Amino acid sequence: EAGVAQSPRYKIIEKRQSVAFWCNPISGHATLYWYQQILGQGPKLLIQFQNNGVVDDSQLPKDRFSAERLKGVDSTLKIQPAKLEDSAVYLCASSYRGLRNTEAFFGQGTRLTVV
Amino acid sequence: GQQVMQIPQYQHVQEGEDFTTYCNSSTTLSNIQWYKQRPGGHPVFLIQLVKSGEVKKQKRLTFQFGEAKKNSSLHITATQTTDVGTYFCAGRRQAGTALIFGKGTTLSVSS
Repeated sequence: EAGVAQSPRYKIIEKRQSVAFWCNPISGHATLYWYQQILGQGPKLLIQFQNNGVVDDSQLPKDRFSAERLKGVDSTLKIQPAKLEDSAVYLCASSYRGLRNTEAFFGQGTRLTVV
Repeated sequence: GQQVMQIPQYQHVQEGEDFTTYCNSSTTLSNIQWYKQRPGGHPVFLIQLVKSGEVKKQKRLTFQFGEAKKNSSLHITATQTTDVGTYFCAGRRQAGTALIFGKGTTLSVSS
């Protein structure tokens, strides 16, 4: 079974530039998450999708971050414009929405450095 | 909003010693999950606890879910160097809602 695919793996941009990350979840997984993990901290949920609908985006800085999952499969996360404090690893995860098994499978992440 | 706290933040042990990390939520949880993240890696699912007072074991790892479903613990017996990493708990208030992670406990083991 293929895992969660993310690209790119690494990205370096200057502040005020724009950047986009892509995620392809495990086939059949209805739930997709984007997390931001700053070095030394736990993953912070940015947004959670159920199919193509948003379940929770309360911690997404909507003035600069946006995310979409138009067809309920893959997803993109965009930052525009980037700030220095956005430097982090952006993790995408997916889970099968079942009553008993809701473990999240994580991708390798995209390490973003804003200079 | 929902908060999940973990202590300690760091723990260093000698190989063979035991290790415990504790997780506390500000709200009652529907379920709690534990993940392990190796240095440079991504979080990997270990286990999910659903029932009040539930205890589950995986070899040297013992997981507990509190009676009030607001706290949890992970205990490792006789640590090995392969146990090195950061252990996160993650909880949901209700099934299908946001999965919120704690800040993690980083375990280092010296041989």
